[in-house]
Amino acid sequence: GDSVTQMEGPVTLSEEAFLTINCTYTATGYPSLFWYVQYPGEGLQLLLKATKADDKGSNKGFEATYRKETTSFHLEKGSVQVSDSAVYFCALKGSNQAGTALIFGKGTTLSVSS
Amino acid sequence: DGGITQSPKYLFRKEGQNVTLSCEQNLNHDAMYWYRQDPGQGLRLIYYSQIVNDFQKGDIAEGYSVSREKKESFPLTVTSAQKNPTAFYLCASSGWTANTGELFFGEGSRLTVL
Repeated sequence: GDSVTQMEGPVTLSEEAFLTINCTYTATGYPSLFWYVQYPGEGLQLLLKATKADDKGSNKGFEATYRKETTSFHLEKGSVQVSDSAVYFCALKGSNQAGTALIFGKGTTLSVSS
Repeated sequence: DGGITQSPKYLFRKEGQNVTLSCEQNLNHDAMYWYRQDPGQGLRLIYYSQIVNDFQKGDIAEGYSVSREKKESFPLTVTSAQKNPTAFYLCASSGWTANTGELFFGEGSRLTVL
């Protein structure tokens, strides 16, 4: 079945460092891809999304490009801030998937220090 | 403001007791979902409902029950049959018009079994 694999954390960076969190997926057809962010003690918020190959999603300085040839959707940010410390989840909605639930990766914890 | 409200935020339960977690949304969304979050496991789907009076089991439905009598409400009951119920529970919703699959999440309910 469909699945999402993301790099294990925690990822620890200094402020203004470059961030990459890897995400790869397995799915039939043409899934939609998402990155969600979870701040401590809160629910998840959509960070960005891409619905077809070569689409780039972007928000708040974060970017991710839907690469069908490598089945990847890596999250990047050029200069992280302390306020970016959170857990990041990669997720997909399969085009052949019954129902509308998303499949999530296990999450990557990012910790940014000043 | 439109959104999803989960209650209670924290809940303690003795072994052998059933507990019900509330989820209400005023986004006029048709579909609602319950996920369970455990450290290092990501989010796992418990149940989802695409329409009133209908719901489907997710990947880990054993020991849980739901109802969908109103469009706005999707309560989750954690029964005594759930062997390891201590977790963070997240409710989400999505609209049919959002065909990219974006989910909107509540702030979660943390259940602890004493």
